[in-house]
Amino acid sequence: GNSVTQMEGPVTLSEEAFLTINCTYTATGYPSLFWYVQYPGEGLQLLLKATKADDKGSNKGFEATYRKETTSFHLEKGSVQVSDSAVYFCALRGNSGGYQKVTFGTGTKLQVIP
Amino acid sequence: EAGVTQFPSHSVIEKGQTVTLRCDPISGHDNLYWYRRVMGKEIKFLLHFVKESKQDESGMPNNRFLAERTGGTYSTLKVQPAELEDSGVYFCASSQVQGARDEQFFGPGTRLTVL
Repeated sequence: GNSVTQMEGPVTLSEEAFLTINCTYTATGYPSLFWYVQYPGEGLQLLLKATKADDKGSNKGFEATYRKETTSFHLEKGSVQVSDSAVYFCALRGNSGGYQKVTFGTGTKLQVIP
Repeated sequence: EAGVTQFPSHSVIEKGQTVTLRCDPISGHDNLYWYRRVMGKEIKFLLHFVKESKQDESGMPNNRFLAERTGGTYSTLKVQPAELEDSGVYFCASSQVQGARDEQFFGPGTRLTVL
């Protein structure tokens, strides 16, 4: 079955530091890949997505590139802010037609300190 | 447009009691999903409704969990009787169109604590 593995947290960074959160996946075919973010007290929000190999998803300064050869979808941001403190979830969904449930990783908590 | 809402935001109950969680999807969304995150682990799929019908309930952990979606609008998830291992955050999501490329919109979650 499908699975997602992401680096364990928590990750603590100083403001303006470079962020990388690693994510690798196992899936058949060509899944769509996602990063969701959960800010304190809020629900899950879609941060970015990529639907095919070599696609780059980007939003709010965050980027992730769909690497099929390494089955990875690492999240990066060049300069984090305190407001980026949240829990980040890597996820995938199969594209074999019709409905496919979302498979999530365990989440990585990011804390950015001033 | 209002997003997905869930009630309550937090519930604390004792082992053996019953709890009912509610989810109101985005208006017009036929698809409704329940997910659960237990003890800081991954968020796991529980089940999927299309309107009032259960499309996939393969993630429901056992028969202590009962989900309903009467009339195809809001959904409830009842846990009876609750056990310690049921503690976690229960998320609801909805989507408009059933398909692999359709985005699911998530609610804020209900944090359930079973003592």
